[in-house]
Formats: sequence, C-alpha cells, structure tokens
Amino acid sequence: DGGITQSPKYLFRKEGQNVTLSCEQNLNHDAMYWYRQDPGQGLRLIYYSQIVNDFQKGDIAEGYSVSREKKESFPLTVTSAQKNPTAFYLCASSPGTSGLLGQYFGPGTRLTVT
Amino acid sequence: KQEVTQIPAALSVPEGENLVLNCSFTDSAIYNLQWFRQDPGKGLTSLLLIQSSQREQTSGRLNASLDKSSGRSTLYIAASQPGDSATYLCAVGTGSARQLTFGSGTQLTVLP
Repeated sequence: DGGITQSPKYLFRKEGQNVTLSCEQNLNHDAMYWYRQDPGQGLRLIYYSQIVNDFQKGDIAEGYSVSREKKESFPLTVTSAQKNPTAFYLCASSPGTSGLLGQYFGPGTRLTVT
Repeated sequence: KQEVTQIPAALSVPEGENLVLNCSFTDSAIYNLQWFRQDPGKGLTSLLLIQSSQREQTSGRLNASLDKSSGRSTLYIAASQPGDSATYLCAVGTGSARQLTFGSGTQLTVLP
C-alpha cells in the first residue's frame, strides 16, 4: 500500500517536554512538508524539504526542528520553546522537488500539551 | 505576503443541489492551485490541481476554475450528495517548492 503515514494518531505531552512526530512515505516523493492546523483555520507551513539533508523554514518555524536523513522520512520535533504546541499536525509530500505536481497528505497527528 | 480567502465559511444545502465554493488570493504570481477535502479529524484529500497556465480541471462531479489575473478560483459541485459533507480547502502554490498557502476553508453540509 503506497502512501504517507504519520504516527502516532494522538499524542499527549506535559509542558516543557520535547516531542517528535513521525512522517514516512513510500511514494518515492522528493519533497516533504510539515503543516500545523488550528481549529477553524487553514494550514500553516512549518518546514519543508526538497531533497535529503536539506530543509527550509516555513512561515511558523520557531519552536520546531526537523531532519531529512532519508528520502522517505521527515520527522518533526516540537520543542519546549514552542509557545502553543497543541494543534493538529499534517505531513505532506510531493513528486519531484518543485511541488508542481501537487501535495499529498498523511492522516495527521493530534498533539495535546498540558 | 500571499493571503487566501474562502467564502462562505459555511454552507448548508439540500441534496441534489448544484453549488459553488469560492476562493480568492491576493498575489496572482502563483504556480498552481489545489482544492482539498477534509473530513473531521482527518488528513486532506486532494480533489483537483490546476496549473497556473490552465483555466479549469474536472473530476467526476467536480469542476474547478482558475482566473489568475483576478485572483479567483471556484469549485463547482454538481448534484450534491450527503457524502459530500466536509470542509473544502483551497491552497495556492508559490516559491521554489510550490509551498502551499491555505484558505480557512468552507464547511459544507448536504442535507438528505
């Protein structure tokens, strides 16, 4: 089954702890993206990566970090520096490096920090 | 900075009706535009992708148009069904990786 997987589906953490969200794809896509969605709002771009070992900040990168050591994996770490980490996090991928062929999304991880 | 607006925020229609969802964007320098569907608590499902050189795309009962010069796109849904109930999101692609800027969505309810 080809697709994008995100785990876990739900994640609960205490304030002050770092947490890592997993995103894996077996579509052989080059580009990968992380977005955050808050209630009643559209998605906002956190980080993106067009090739292995390279990534760029999106609109709201503060308090987040990523790595891209493998083509199929793009984990997101939510650090304790992120002031409002509770949100729905969505990972996407795109064929090629340009994003011209559109983006395709995983099922999301809902993070709750208390 | 690109801004994407979707009107209306919510729409309720009886089954069988044809309907139009609107999307507008402030900067016409886009590479592509993508329409998505999101069910509650789920990820996004891509519906239609329109490149900047195209005027429209069709898939089944869905038709999306793009007028780049006026900064507008519409999603037309023919003969709506209760299963079409979801939030519809519009996003425009800009930048080297066609990073998407999203609207806040239109929540559609189709009543049986």
